[in-house]
Parts: sequence; C-alpha cells; structure tokens
Amino acid sequence: QVQLQESGPGLVKPSQTLSLTCTVSGGSISSGGYYWSWIRQHPGKGLEWIGYIYYSGSTYYNPSLKSRVTISVDTSKNQFSLKLSSVTAADTAVYYCARVEPRIRFDPWGQGTLVTVSS
Amino acid sequence: QSVLTQPPSVSEAPRQRVTISCSGSSSNIGNNAVNWYQQLPGKAPKLLIYYDDLLPSGVSDRFSGSKSGTSASLAISGLQSEDEADYYCAAWDDSLNGVWVFGGGTKLTVL
Repeated sequence: QVQLQESGPGLVKPSQTLSLTCTVSGGSISSGGYYWSWIRQHPGKGLEWIGYIYYSGSTYYNPSLKSRVTISVDTSKNQFSLKLSSVTAADTAVYYCARVEPRIRFDPWGQGTLVTVSS
Repeated sequence: QSVLTQPPSVSEAPRQRVTISCSGSSSNIGNNAVNWYQQLPGKAPKLLIYYDDLLPSGVSDRFSGSKSGTSASLAISGLQSEDEADYYCAAWDDSLNGVWVFGGGTKLTVL
C-alpha cells in the first residue's frame, strides 16, 4: 500500500527557508485522482492544512500561509516538496505529508518530522 | 481558534460508549463530507471515518460517524484503553476559494 516519508532539516534559523521532501512509495504520484498535501501541528496543538499539489503541478494553498509557501512535485523521483520562507519560531511544528482525496479525506499520512525554528 | 469546534476533552469508563461532537457551518460541515482522525500519543493521525460515516478498511466497527446539518459526531462503543488518544474532525470549507479546516481536537481519556 502507499506509504509516505518526510525528510529534511530538523532545525532552521529564523528568517530562512524551511525545506522538506515527502517520498511516496507503494504507488505512483502520477497515477491521478489524488492530491499530495502538507499539514502541520504546532507542539501540543491541533492540525493546520498548509496546501497540496496535483501531479500536474497545480497547487492549492491555505490563504493564511499562501504568501510564504511553495509546494512542488518531482514525478521522476515520486516526491513532492514544501518550502516555507521567512520562518519564525511560530513555524516550529511537526510537519506531515499525506495523500488527499479531494474534499474527502487525508489518507495515508507520513510519520511526521519535527522542525524547530531557532538561532 | 479552530474553524470546527470540538470539546477539549471527554472521558468514559472501559466498555462504555462515548461521543465526540464537531460543530461547523454551512460552508464546511453543512456542505461537505466530514472525516475523523485518531492520533495516538507521539504518532501521526490515522483516518478513522470519511464521507461522514464510512469506515476505511481495517478500522474497528466500534467507531461510527454521523452528521446532521452543520454538526457531526464520532461515537466509540465498547471503550478500550487503547482508544485513549486525540481525535480530530476535518472538512473542506468552501469559503476563501476553498480550504481544509480541522477541529481543535478532543482528548479521550479511558478511566
């Protein structure tokens, strides 16, 4: 079955760009019908949708983060990536990637990766 | 402040039944499917219910979902200690060109 795995630096300095990659296994990102999403969870808090991408490159972002977010896809590597610019301590969170059935559900999820923003 | 409103915590004894509510509006729950996620301590969320009341393969039928108007509920029957977790509702919201919204989460304690 499809599995997702996040990777990237666990520590980012303030004002820099957070970069994460999600590698998809057990299925092709290009198979269609699904979007590929990033969600984050601040320590001890709830979930916040960041945005998602279709294999064609079409993207949809949370308006609250849109000005700082870029999600891209590399179908040859079966990966998609997140870039979040001008980070502050408020961006410290566990970042999850997940497959999305539009308007229906997030399933499955990656295990998540903690990113701390600190100098 | 989450768009979808859930009680911060609920508790119940083993073998009993508990319900968790999720309140929204016409732009989200009232017009779109609700899904529920279980997050065990230190783990990623796991899909529990989708399309308001459907169970993914492998999820125990002790879990059930329902929706009425702009509110939804998750029920767990025959409570077990391993059900102790955080539970989140989610739905697509048609406002602002569309955005996924989540509830703030409910911590279930099995007494």
